[in-house]
Amino acid sequence: NAGVTQTPKFRILKIGQSMTLQCAQDMNHNYMYWYRQDPGMGLKLIYYSVGAGITDKGEVPNGYNVSRSTTEYFPLRLELAAPSQTSVYFCASRSHSGTGGGNQPQHFGDGTRLSIL
Amino acid sequence: QKEVEQDPGPLSVPEGAIVSLNCTYSNSAFQYFMWYRQYSRKGPELLMYTYSSGNKEDGRFTAQVDKSSKYISLFIRDSQPSDSATYLCAMRRDSGAGSYQLTFGKGTKLSVIP
Repeated sequence: NAGVTQTPKFRILKIGQSMTLQCAQDMNHNYMYWYRQDPGMGLKLIYYSVGAGITDKGEVPNGYNVSRSTTEYFPLRLELAAPSQTSVYFCASRSHSGTGGGNQPQHFGDGTRLSIL
Repeated sequence: QKEVEQDPGPLSVPEGAIVSLNCTYSNSAFQYFMWYRQYSRKGPELLMYTYSSGNKEDGRFTAQVDKSSKYISLFIRDSQPSDSATYLCAMRRDSGAGSYQLTFGKGTKLSVIP
């Protein structure tokens, strides 16, 4: 019963390097989300997707890119890593409510801890 | 004024105490209210999910919503060391066609001392 799986768990990058944070879910959820959590702060939405081929910006999208070619995977790309992107990144997914609204909570992975030096 | 305000603590209580955690919000568009629990080095997990004003109880946990005051609370009765975690409030704003976004508080770090 894997749920939402994020890899890697930890990563150290140098300024200017690029990397892809991986997220996979096995619950056949339509909706997927990427958040970042800075120390002492709440989660901020970076990007989200309502289904394969459809993505949209959240509150803090600058410096990131996403793609969603399948239902299961929603990778987050950092093209030119900057120290301000040092954070813990969480991926989440949920099912579609079907009737608009309703109790469809988001299920979170355990995060990727990223340090940029 | 931030959309969601939550005292980050830390909060330390003895085992068996009643814990009260609170959030205030400013945006009337928020219609659903959630509490997430986050253990160290783990992702948030949903504890409570409420829509209307009033109380919702689940075991030792009670979520309270007062929409007129824009104030939500989470009460933990008979607190246990296993309740030691960071508690995040989250507010949901629907954006149509079954889509919604969450706005999170900063989280309150709780320690329950045996």
